[in-house]
Amino acid sequence: DTEVTQTPKHLVMGMTNKKSLKCEQHMGHRAMYWYKQKAKKPPELMFVYSYEKLSINESVPSRFSPECPNSSLLNLHLHALQPEDSALYLCASSQEKGVTTDTQYFGPGTRLTVL
Amino acid sequence: DQQVKQNSPSLSVQEGRISILNCDYTNSMFDYFLWYKKYPAEGPTFLISISSIKDKNEDGRFTVFLNKSAKHLSLHIVPSQPGDSAVYFCAASASGGSNYKLTFGKGTLLTVNP
Repeated sequence: DTEVTQTPKHLVMGMTNKKSLKCEQHMGHRAMYWYKQKAKKPPELMFVYSYEKLSINESVPSRFSPECPNSSLLNLHLHALQPEDSALYLCASSQEKGVTTDTQYFGPGTRLTVL
Repeated sequence: DQQVKQNSPSLSVQEGRISILNCDYTNSMFDYFLWYKKYPAEGPTFLISISSIKDKNEDGRFTVFLNKSAKHLSLHIVPSQPGDSAVYFCAASASGGSNYKLTFGKGTLLTVNP
């Protein structure tokens, strides 16, 4: 089983709203990731959690706030977003950060539209 | 500086024939390479990977070849099927402290015609 689930599938929000994206995996993976993907572009890494601790923040604006409540769950809290933040937000997980052949498995993504 | 390059934005192939997708990289520290397939508005699906200690890895209809001296890898799909039509991303990582980070190419849109 290599399934990563994400909810919601679609989200429309105004610039003053607060919303959260959720990601879940039950593969026992200890690394989880948030990516942002714009149309016709490759995914761009935002955050990496390793063993439930934030290990990498790729200079992401503070209006994006990640949270890892436990080893299976990863949230992305959104507040005061801009229209240019509209994108497909992807969650991924992998067995362990630091393993050479560590494969990342992606969820289906949340299509976010900021009005 | 684009460290992973997929120079063909698109490729069209007849059903049943071979599809060959190419990828070049510049960073000699990369030692793990992956191919992902992506349908519109969906997340990338892992297809196949290869470690730098190998030059070939095969999984069913998919074979990845790695030429380290040329810093080139390719994905062969044979026989191609209409359901293979998607964007294919090549990705690479380097072992060590930064191996969490996948560097993606820009993708190649494969169209398999019935």
